[in-house]
Amino acid sequence: KNQVEQSPQSLIILEGKNCTLQCNYTVSPFSNLRWYKQDTGRGPVSLTIMTFSENTKSNGRYTATLDADTKQSSLHITASQLSDSASYICVVFNYGGSQGNLIFGKGTKLSVKP
Amino acid sequence: EPEVTQTPSHQVTQMGQEVILRCVPISNHLYFYWYRQILGQKVEFLVSFYNNEISEKSEIFDDQFSVERPDGSNFTLKIRSTKLEDSAMYFCASSEFRLAGTGELFFGEGSRLTVL
Repeated sequence: KNQVEQSPQSLIILEGKNCTLQCNYTVSPFSNLRWYKQDTGRGPVSLTIMTFSENTKSNGRYTATLDADTKQSSLHITASQLSDSASYICVVFNYGGSQGNLIFGKGTKLSVKP
Repeated sequence: EPEVTQTPSHQVTQMGQEVILRCVPISNHLYFYWYRQILGQKVEFLVSFYNNEISEKSEIFDDQFSVERPDGSNFTLKIRSTKLEDSAMYFCASSEFRLAGTGELFFGEGSRLTVL
């Protein structure tokens, strides 16, 4: 069954610290993997999109990695800010699949404290 | 920066009533979508729309749901007879290119539907 699992479910860190969020997927065939940031009560905003041939992609203080062999991805946030408090959602595109092709994870809720 | 706009931001309705949620996708985008997110749960796909017709729909998108692009700018989701379990945040999204080709998906801010 095509699934996207994220860990941890929630995370609290101090402002200025780094953190890494994990995403494991069983989606096959795989086309691309996306990370979104979702503020509470708002729509998701795209952070990165990676194809199977890309290992790393950065967007400012956000760096995503992808290992298509082990079907794992991570999102690393450097020098966290209070505005980073949000849910981070891993989404995998299931090439040729149904249900709109995008398989969403449940997200990791990040809280950055002063 | 262009954005997807949705109205209303919040709608409260009685069970059995019809609801129309409206969206204005980004102007040069060709692919349109509706998703929903029940409070505390993950985002779920409802329907995709391209070239003035539904290209795919999920099991959630039953006969009570319909979509329409009545003019060149609006994209609507209609729920004919709302149920309590329809209470959720509904997101409209659009993309210029196909998502298989890493087309970026832009979400609106959502319409929160509360069914009493």
